[in-house]
Amino acid sequence: GENVEQHPSTLSVQEGDSAVIKCTYSDSASNYFPWYKQELGKGPQLIIDIRSNVGEKKDQRIAVTLNKTAKHFSLHITETQPEDSAVYFCAASPGNQFYFGTGTSLTVIP
Amino acid sequence: ETGVTQSPTHLIKTRGQQVTLRCSSQSGHNTVSWYQQALGQGPQFIFQYYREEENGRGNFPPRFSGLQFPNYSSELNVNALELDDSALYLCASSPGTSGRANNEQFFGPGTRLTVL
Repeated sequence: GENVEQHPSTLSVQEGDSAVIKCTYSDSASNYFPWYKQELGKGPQLIIDIRSNVGEKKDQRIAVTLNKTAKHFSLHITETQPEDSAVYFCAASPGNQFYFGTGTSLTVIP
Repeated sequence: ETGVTQSPTHLIKTRGQQVTLRCSSQSGHNTVSWYQQALGQGPQFIFQYYREEENGRGNFPPRFSGLQFPNYSSELNVNALELDDSALYLCASSPGTSGRANNEQFFGPGTRLTVL
């Protein structure tokens, strides 16, 4: 089955700096890669996603890049704000099942 | 348009008991997936239902079972509870036109289950 690894597990940045979270996957059949933000006591919230026919996607301060050859994808958050503090999960999907990484706890220091 | 809702929010059971968790899908979504999220971990796929039939299952024993109803609401049932079943249980709905399509999944707030 698919195996998704996510790094780093914790990340602290100063407000206004950029944050990058990286994931790798093992199954070349995976073709959909969503990113979720989970705040304490809440369910994961979809923040951006990318499909395998696209190399990069951007939505305001958030961008995701995908390298199919190397089987890795990354989340980039620019101009970080304190409200960006949360746990971020990447996922890979070869079909109807999502395989999640272990999460990155992002802290934005004001 | 309402989002995904789950009930109850918290639940405490003892080992060996049975539990039923409920999920209402987002309006217009016909596919629901259930996940188990242990503390400090990512969600683990339990199973998915599409048009009232199971449409994929993760590595969970048969004591984890589910149902999807004609209105696309769903239940997760767990029998013979074990201590390791303590976790956040999440459901996610998708606007799939086909159960095989990996469409976006929108998560509910989860049910926190504690097994003593």
